[in-house]
Amino acid sequence: GENVEQHPSTLSVQEGDSAVIKCTYSDSASNYFPWYKQELGKGPQLIIDIRSNVGEKKDQRIAVTLNKTAKHFSLHITETQPEDSAVYFCAATSNFGNEKLTFGTGTRLTIIP
Amino acid sequence: NAGVTQTPKFQVLKTGQSMTLQCAQDMNHEYMSWYRQDPGMGLRLIHYSVGAGITDQGEVPNGYNVSRSTTEDFPLRLLSAAPSQTSVYFCASSYGLNEQFFGPGTRLTVL
Repeated sequence: GENVEQHPSTLSVQEGDSAVIKCTYSDSASNYFPWYKQELGKGPQLIIDIRSNVGEKKDQRIAVTLNKTAKHFSLHITETQPEDSAVYFCAATSNFGNEKLTFGTGTRLTIIP
Repeated sequence: NAGVTQTPKFQVLKTGQSMTLQCAQDMNHEYMSWYRQDPGMGLRLIHYSVGAGITDQGEVPNGYNVSRSTTEDFPLRLLSAAPSQTSVYFCASSYGLNEQFFGPGTRLTVL
């Protein structure tokens, strides 16, 4: 089955600086890569996703890049703000049309004011 | 729309007790899943369903049962609770290979 590794497990960034979280996956058939943000006491919420036919996707201060050859994808947050503090999860799926996502172990991002 | 709802929010069980975690969605999503979240281990898939009457096992199915009699509901049953099942449980739903919507979670403690 799919295996997703996520680094780092914790990340502290000064407000206004950029944050980068990296994930690698094992199944070359994976074709959908979402990123979720989880605030304290809440369920995860999708913030951005990318499909295998795209190399990069941006949404305001958030971007995701995908390198299918190397089997890794990254989340980039620019101009970080205190409300970006949360736990972020990457995920991958190798079953198109079947919501059998495999999640990374999460990154706790802390924005230092 | 209420989205994905889960009950109860908190539950304490004794070893050997059984219980059902409820999950419901009002978005007419065909896909529903149950995950457990443990510190340092991310979200692990317990069971999932691709439609009413169809369920399958995920990564950690042992000790749990599910059924899907309607599109809206996807209950998770703990047959005989064990301390290793202490965790936060999340239900999620989606339409096809798109955004999964998560419920607020159930925090379960097994003594």
